[in-house]
Amino acid sequence: GNSVTQMEGPVTLSEEAFLTINCTYTATGYPSLFWYVQYPGEGLQLLLKATKADDKGSNKGFEATYRKETTSFHLEKGSVQVSDSAVYFCALSSRSNDYKLSFGAGTTVTVRA
Amino acid sequence: DAGVIQSPRHEVTEMGQEVTLRCKPISGHDYLFWYRQTMMRGLELLIYFNNNVPIDDSGMPEDRFSAKMPNASFSTLKIQPSEPRDSAVYFCASSRSNTEAFFGQGTRLTVV
Repeated sequence: GNSVTQMEGPVTLSEEAFLTINCTYTATGYPSLFWYVQYPGEGLQLLLKATKADDKGSNKGFEATYRKETTSFHLEKGSVQVSDSAVYFCALSSRSNDYKLSFGAGTTVTVRA
Repeated sequence: DAGVIQSPRHEVTEMGQEVTLRCKPISGHDYLFWYRQTMMRGLELLIYFNNNVPIDDSGMPEDRFSAKMPNASFSTLKIQPSEPRDSAVYFCASSRSNTEAFFGQGTRLTVV
């Protein structure tokens, strides 16, 4: 079945630091990959996505590249802000699993001023 | 579109009472998902529908939980009777096939 493994948190950074959250996956077929973000007290919001190998998703300064050879979709941001403090979830969906989202455990990121 | 709309945002109820959570998906979406989020277990998929038909309810924890989708624009998740361990944030999400899911703001349920 499909599964997602992401870096355990929590992660604490200073403003303008570089952020990486590792995500690897197991899936049959050709999944689509996603990063969702959850700000305190809110629902999950799509941050970025990639639907095929070598695609790069990007949004709000965050990037992730779909690496089929390493089954990875690591999230990166070059210079974080306090407003990036949130929980980040890596997820995938595939036709073989009827498009159900499989989520990682989530990584809590705190950015200090 | 207003996005996925859930109600109520907060619910406090006494143990043994019936609780009904409501969800209006995004128009045109053919998948609807119910999730539960807790600190201990993270995000759990409870049940999902495709074209209003329940496809997989294997995540529903007990027979006390039930979900319906009488039409394409409305779904309910019911807990009867509720117990303190049901306290969690419940999310509804909807999607079109092969696209990302959009989440509602969630219902924070507290059972005392």
